[in-house]
Amino acid sequence: DAGITQSPRHKVTETGTPVTLRCHQTENHRYMYWYRQDPGHGLRLIHYSYGVKDTDKGEVSDGYSVSRSKTEDFLLTLESATSSQTSVYFCAIRGGNSGNTIYFGEGSWLTVV
Amino acid sequence: GNSVTQMEGPVTLSEEAFLTINCTYTATGYPSLFWYVQYPGEGLQLLLKATKADDKGSNKGFEATYRKETTSFHLEKGSVQVSDSAVYFCALSYQGGSEKLVFGKGTKLTVNP
Repeated sequence: DAGITQSPRHKVTETGTPVTLRCHQTENHRYMYWYRQDPGHGLRLIHYSYGVKDTDKGEVSDGYSVSRSKTEDFLLTLESATSSQTSVYFCAIRGGNSGNTIYFGEGSWLTVV
Repeated sequence: GNSVTQMEGPVTLSEEAFLTINCTYTATGYPSLFWYVQYPGEGLQLLLKATKADDKGSNKGFEATYRKETTSFHLEKGSVQVSDSAVYFCALSYQGGSEKLVFGKGTKLTVNP
């Protein structure tokens, strides 16, 4: 258990509405990540953070923004949700004894109708 | 660029059969390699990892050896159980400070009694 909590776990929203997913960690990890999982694509990195207010884009960042105002919270926002953003979203942190292992939260299932 | 290719499934085996899931990678430098497992409705769990050439990762009867000469990290288990039914993801972590993960597309394994 890497102390990661995602919320909400399930959400249905309408096209064009804003959506924010929250990732909360309890172990003061510096690096946090947002991935999306889609059939046939595995997991793809959306955005990541390497500290408070320090974020960068991943391979599928279009249509998403992130914020990290506190070490423990990493927020993913869909400014105007589209059906192509229907997916399972996973938050992750970098930790482990050697500090190079990535651990995942339990996922947030988002459906855009 | 960095990429991971793993055998496409689904893979269906009988209990106690031998399992191999092939994984090859393309990367610059010296990545770390991982296998993650995802049980239905859950997040990804780290199964095993290897951080340098010729390292063998092992856990719960699963093994994989980091082969730099063949750029491979094949997952094996000598005798699978019904409880091993899950989706397995091969991944590499590339350096640059942020330890971003690149995933294969996943292989679904079903083990029948």
